[in-house]
Amino acid sequence: DGGITQSPKYLFRKEGQNVTLSCEQNLNHDAMYWYRQDPGQGLRLIYYSQIVNDFQKGDIAEGYSVSREKKESFPLTVTSAQKNPTAFYLCASSIPGRNTEAFFGQGTRLTVV
Amino acid sequence: AQSVTQLGSHVSVSEGALVLLRCNYSSSVPPYLFWYVQYPNQGLQLLLKYTTGATLVKGINGFEAEFKKSETSFHLTKPSAHMSDAAEYFCAVSDTGRRALTFGSGTRLQVQP
Repeated sequence: DGGITQSPKYLFRKEGQNVTLSCEQNLNHDAMYWYRQDPGQGLRLIYYSQIVNDFQKGDIAEGYSVSREKKESFPLTVTSAQKNPTAFYLCASSIPGRNTEAFFGQGTRLTVV
Repeated sequence: AQSVTQLGSHVSVSEGALVLLRCNYSSSVPPYLFWYVQYPNQGLQLLLKYTTGATLVKGINGFEAEFKKSETSFHLTKPSAHMSDAAEYFCAVSDTGRRALTFGSGTRLQVQP
């Protein structure tokens, strides 16, 4: 079955450590996205990529980095520069275009301990 | 830039009652609008979308939404609530510039027996 796989589902990080969240899709979508979800704030865009080897900052990119070396993969690194990383992170993909919906993974819950 | 506002962070209805979740949008161009549902600790699932054409859009699980340009609204309705409808619902608009979805802050629907 086609879909988006995020791993791990739960992740614990010590303060000062970098951590990478995995996102893989087999939908053959060109566009991929990372969103952060906090209670009462909806989803906020961190980074997005419309094509391989290209990506752009979203609304809250500070303290995060991404790469897009393969069409199927769009990993997100939460760096030590992100002051409040505890959140639910959602990866999505879509066919590029305004009228197309995004398909979401099951999310990764990151907790700083 | 496009944006959406969801009125009411929490809505509670009785089982069998009408569900009405409100969404207003702001857009300088004809908007493309989406409703998603999220169950606890899961990703988002598309309920329905409006792109062009018929203003009354039918989605999954008995939900529908009506695009009203004069009111800049895209409210989500369901004639009769079911316990399984309890979840969080997000309205989203497609951003013309960066081709990513911009989400509202969400509405948590509670269904009372």
